[in-house]
Amino acid sequence: LAKTTQPISMDSYEGQEVNITCSHNNIATNDYITWYQQFPSQGPRFIIQGYKTKVTNEVASLFIPADRKSSTLSLPRVSLSDTAVYYCLVGDIGDMRFGAGTRLTVKP
Amino acid sequence: EAQVTQNPRYLITVTGKKLTVTCSQNMNHEYMSWYRQDPGLGLRQIYYSMNVEVTDKGDVPEGYKVSRKEKRNFPLILESPSPNQTSLYFCASSFWDRDTGELFFGEGSRLTVL
Repeated sequence: LAKTTQPISMDSYEGQEVNITCSHNNIATNDYITWYQQFPSQGPRFIIQGYKTKVTNEVASLFIPADRKSSTLSLPRVSLSDTAVYYCLVGDIGDMRFGAGTRLTVKP
Repeated sequence: EAQVTQNPRYLITVTGKKLTVTCSQNMNHEYMSWYRQDPGLGLRQIYYSMNVEVTDKGDVPEGYKVSRKEKRNFPLILESPSPNQTSLYFCASSFWDRDTGELFFGEGSRLTVL
């Protein structure tokens, strides 16, 4: 199982772009990279998933370098409601392991 | 509405009194799993099931049982609960499809064992 390493916490201000980087040095060839968002006392919610290069959807972008040993979740123009814990996972659906995640605090 | 439903949402019980937390999904998902979440530890997988009658241990299966007799249901059973099983529990489901790989989570069940 590929282990992931993320910062424990990050602070930002409303309107800024936030980039959260995740390290996964032992990622396997077939592993996908998936990010989830969790608010207090709620289940995690899928944000974005990718395999290589860049993926973008309506809420975020995911940047994956060629060696795939890291990935960066980019949240454009964050608001107070983006305050949450963000998890980076690698592996297929049967191997999903959530670490402690990154606690993002968005300030006014 | 597509959803994963857990019951009960809140439960206070005593040591040794058997309990079951139900989980049901209406999305025809093959894959279902249970997680527990404790402060500072993130979510840890208890058991998962890749399809009916197929279950496997996750990272923290001790003290728990599961069954998958129907595709939509995946109950979590605590035969003899202990205080260290006090936690927030989440059920999740997904299609068994590498290209989508999106887990859908229930709203959580907060269990307190006295």
